[in-house]
Amino acid sequence: GDSVTQMEGPVTLSEEAFLTINCTYTATGYPSLFWYVQYPGEGLQLLLKATKADDKGSNKGFEATYRKETTSFHLEKGSVQVSDSAVYFCALVGGTSYGKLTFGQGTILTVHP
Amino acid sequence: EAGVAQSPRYKIIEKRQSVAFWCNPISGHATLYWYQQILGQGPKLLIQFQNNGVVDDSQLPKDRFSAERLKGVDSTLKIQPAKLEDSAVYLCASSSLEGGSETQYFGPGTRLLVL
Repeated sequence: GDSVTQMEGPVTLSEEAFLTINCTYTATGYPSLFWYVQYPGEGLQLLLKATKADDKGSNKGFEATYRKETTSFHLEKGSVQVSDSAVYFCALVGGTSYGKLTFGQGTILTVHP
Repeated sequence: EAGVAQSPRYKIIEKRQSVAFWCNPISGHATLYWYQQILGQGPKLLIQFQNNGVVDDSQLPKDRFSAERLKGVDSTLKIQPAKLEDSAVYLCASSSLEGGSETQYFGPGTRLLVL
């Protein structure tokens, strides 16, 4: 079945540091890929998405590129802020899953001033 | 545009009691999802509706969980009787087609604690 694996966390960075959160996936067909963010006490918010190979999703300074050859969708940001502290989830909708999201386990990011 | 609404936000019950959660999706969204998020894990789908029909309920523990979406808008999720392992956040999402792909929007969730 479909699955998503995220890098082990938590991740702790200083403000303005470079961020990478690794995400790899297994899926049938041609999945769409997503990053969701969950701030403390809030629901999941869509951060960015990519629907086909080599697409780059971007939002709020975050980027991720759909790499079919390595089945990866790593999240990056050049300069993190304290306000980026949250839990980040990589997810996919498989080609045969009728819209169901399959999530990774989440990565806790803490950014210190 | 109003987001996905859920209530209550928090609920504490004792095991073997029953509980119900309510969800109002974004207006016009035909597809509605219920996910269970256990602490430290990613959300897992419980049930998916398309209008008022069930598309996928393969992960719903049907001996204790039930869900309905009678008029194709609001939905309720019920647990009866609750077990300790049902302690989790229950997330409702609805979806629309954007840019050729479906995008799900999540509500704030209901945090359930079973004692």
